[in-house]
Amino acid sequence: DQQVKQNSPSLSVQEGRISILNCDYTNSMFDYFLWYKKYPAEGPTFLISISSIKDKNEDGRFTVFLNKSAKHLSLHIVPSQPGDSAVYFCAASPKDNFGNEKLTFGTGTRLTIIP
Amino acid sequence: DADVTQTPRNRITKTGKRIMLECSQTKGHDRMYWYRQDPGLGLRLIYYSFDVKDINKGEISDGYSVSRQAQAKFSLSLESAIPNQTALYFCATSPGLAASDTQYFGPGTRLTVL
Repeated sequence: DQQVKQNSPSLSVQEGRISILNCDYTNSMFDYFLWYKKYPAEGPTFLISISSIKDKNEDGRFTVFLNKSAKHLSLHIVPSQPGDSAVYFCAASPKDNFGNEKLTFGTGTRLTIIP
Repeated sequence: DADVTQTPRNRITKTGKRIMLECSQTKGHDRMYWYRQDPGLGLRLIYYSFDVKDINKGEISDGYSVSRQAQAKFSLSLESAIPNQTALYFCATSPGLAASDTQYFGPGTRLTVL
């Protein structure tokens, strides 16, 4: 039972354009959402997060949007750069995740930026 | 130098062998975690530890054991490896108590069980 779903295993975007990565979740107890980025032969690194009290969080070229009613979040990268080519994991956390042991990860989307 | 290191980076072993994956961190974090990544399944938690005296099972602990030798070291053992334990294994650390605390991942160990 995959509670966090990233339905697009891969995405290719032209350099300079917008990349939109999507994530859907089923558990209404999820309260906090994160995006991690992973390069080959490296571990995931934290990219950006959003609390359920917000519907948008922006950090430079990266913006995460949260639609609680649709149980959907998306990561926008504008403009896309070659260095953005990586696998992106969506992750969700319930409110009582005090030890960070209840983090649920999606399956990942491989983003390729075409020069 | 990397804050979270894992050894070995790659390992091929045979069914029935005992194998240990090691994780060390210099971040000074109390909380450490072991995950495995399988194609199409994302990262799943195997074990986690909040301090040296605290060990907890995660979502998929069967067939695994762990040891927290020190604040900085957290090892994962496969007592008798089987082919469906072939996966990419990640160690992670976290600084504190909040759900919003970022996890810091090691580079991963690619394990193949023949």
